Order: sequence, then C-alpha cells, then structure tokens
Amino acid sequence: QKEVEQDPGPLSVPEGAIVSLNCTYSNSAFQYFMWYRQYSRKGPELLMYTYSSGNKEDGRFTAQVDKSSKYISLFIRDSQPSDSATYLCAMSGVQNAGNMLTFGGGTRLMVKP
Amino acid sequence: KAGVTQTPRYLIKTRGQQVTLSCSPISGHRSVSWYQQTPGQGLQFLFEYFSETQRNKGNFPGRFSGRQFSNSRSEMNVSTLELGDSALYLCASSFSRTTNTGELFFGEGSRLTVL
Repeated sequence: QKEVEQDPGPLSVPEGAIVSLNCTYSNSAFQYFMWYRQYSRKGPELLMYTYSSGNKEDGRFTAQVDKSSKYISLFIRDSQPSDSATYLCAMSGVQNAGNMLTFGGGTRLMVKP
Repeated sequence: KAGVTQTPRYLIKTRGQQVTLSCSPISGHRSVSWYQQTPGQGLQFLFEYFSETQRNKGNFPGRFSGRQFSNSRSEMNVSTLELGDSALYLCASSFSRTTNTGELFFGEGSRLTVL
C-alpha cells in the first residue's frame, strides 16, 4: 500500500462546477501538505501549501487538512476549462527528510465548457 | 527571474547505455531534488542535494546517481539503462533546506525513452 493514495480519475465536470479532490495518507509524521497542478508536458507547479490541520483559501482554491483522519482535500470553485490538468497532492515534514516530498498518484481533471 | 532549466528535454537511448541529465536551479537556490515520474508509479523521489552534499536518497538502485556543483547546478546519471527507466525526470529547486517554507519549483523535465 502506498503512503499517499489519490483517486486517479479522470474527473470530468462542467464549467462552473465545484470540484473536490482528495488524498489519504498513512504516515502520521507528515506535517506539510501541498497541492500541485501539472499541465500536460509541463512540470508541477505549487497551488496550495498548508501546515498541519486546518483550512487555507486562495482565490477559487481551498485546501483542507484533517490530520486526525489523515485526509486532505482541495476544492476548486467556479471551475474553468483552464483548470483542466492533473492535480497532485504532496506531503513532507518527516524528520531529517529535507525537501523530500511524497506524492499521491495524481487526479486528472477535465472541465468542459 | 529564470525558472528551473532542464536539459535535454527529450532523449532516446537503448538498453545498456547510460545517460546524463542536467538541471540548473533558480538563481540563489541551493537545494536541488530529482524525481522520476511514470504512469504506473507516479512521482518518486530520487535524491536531494544541498550545497554539493547529497542529503537524502530514495529507494532506487545504485545505477541512479547524481551530483551537485559549486554553482548549484546538478546532474543525474543513469547507467546500464533498462526499459523500465523510461520516464519523465523532474528537477526541483528550493531556497530552503527544508519544506517548512513549502515551495519547490519544478522544471519541465527530461523525457527519457529507453528502447
């Protein structure tokens, strides 16, 4: 079983929909939680970064972390066709791990006009 | 400000050959990490360098190696290539020693195909 599990999708939604993306993890040592967006043939780019449990909002994006359930979510409001990409959750913070991230497998999102 | 630059972007090799990939981090960044991305395994950590020292290494065989130069540029080498080494190899740089600032900047990757 992988340390970080993520539904691969694809997830297809109409423009304007609210999108919910989720990851579960098994390592309780993770402290930092990130969401990356990766367009086809591009490198991942950081969308959201959260430390420990709680919510963080940035424009149309909201990240939630529930450490007690080992569950993180990314919500996208008013989704746009330009949001079509693969979304990767990532985690870190294990002692002495430096900048090593553990990624979920990614969820492919398609937003239809 | 220039981003993370990886070269070459695409390359094709045959089994048994070796390959060297290059990464130039963002100016001022001293941490460089390498990841392998495949459809089956996703993004997997290879190794990280900070100030020319390897700090962490992922669960990959010894055929995978890397180094970092005094100007923070990094190279990774894969020897005795196998078909399963076909992947997108991503480099990421960071100013910080740890992820407590949250941001790794990724390059666009080097896509390796092994025939």
